[in-house]
Amino acid sequence: ETGVTQSPTHLIKTRGQQVTLRCSSQSGHNTVSWYQQALGQGPQFIFQYYREEENGRGNFPPRFSGLQFPNYSSELNVNALELDDSALYLCASSLVQRTSSYEQYFGPGTRLTVT
Amino acid sequence: AQRVTQPEKLLSVFKGAPVELKCNYSYSGSPELFWYVQYSRQRLQLLLRHISRESIKGFTADLNKGETSFHLKKPFAQEEDSAMYYCALVGKGAQKLVFGQGTRLTINP
Repeated sequence: ETGVTQSPTHLIKTRGQQVTLRCSSQSGHNTVSWYQQALGQGPQFIFQYYREEENGRGNFPPRFSGLQFPNYSSELNVNALELDDSALYLCASSLVQRTSSYEQYFGPGTRLTVT
Repeated sequence: AQRVTQPEKLLSVFKGAPVELKCNYSYSGSPELFWYVQYSRQRLQLLLRHISRESIKGFTADLNKGETSFHLKKPFAQEEDSAMYYCALVGKGAQKLVFGQGTRLTINP
């Protein structure tokens, strides 16, 4: 069983550019969630994908978008980058079943710096 | 509104002393509560959840609905407990984890 992986580890972009972050879910998981963690803060929910469809969204503007693929890997895209987008982006996968409780497994994160 | 508050950003105790990390929440209903931990250079991982009522690495946490609290406790702290601890909730039928700001626990030898 492989854990959640994310790429790249670090990324530096310029304000106004676009970025794509990638996540590979833990084997057997059908749901992926993305979180933004600013320095000194707890993670904040961006959105979740379940079976390739968005299944909930946090308080983030539309320039944050995502995709989930049939193999349950996922992408987070951010357009028109702003300085405040500088943060650690975490991906978490889970197996959502009707009768099971909600446990998410986190990846190591991608550190995005916007200059 | 859903909110998780961890009033202490930093907590330092001596090895062998009891430790309590505070967590208060705001939610109109019955949420599911969790404690996540992040050790140095490791990823965020689940420590325990209130529904399982289990003790992990000597830590326990009791959900107090009257006080809307979910404090994390351990009677005798160990140096390997030094880490960042996050309290989090999931609302019933919701998809997202709502995290507190975290408490950095340091166990002094």
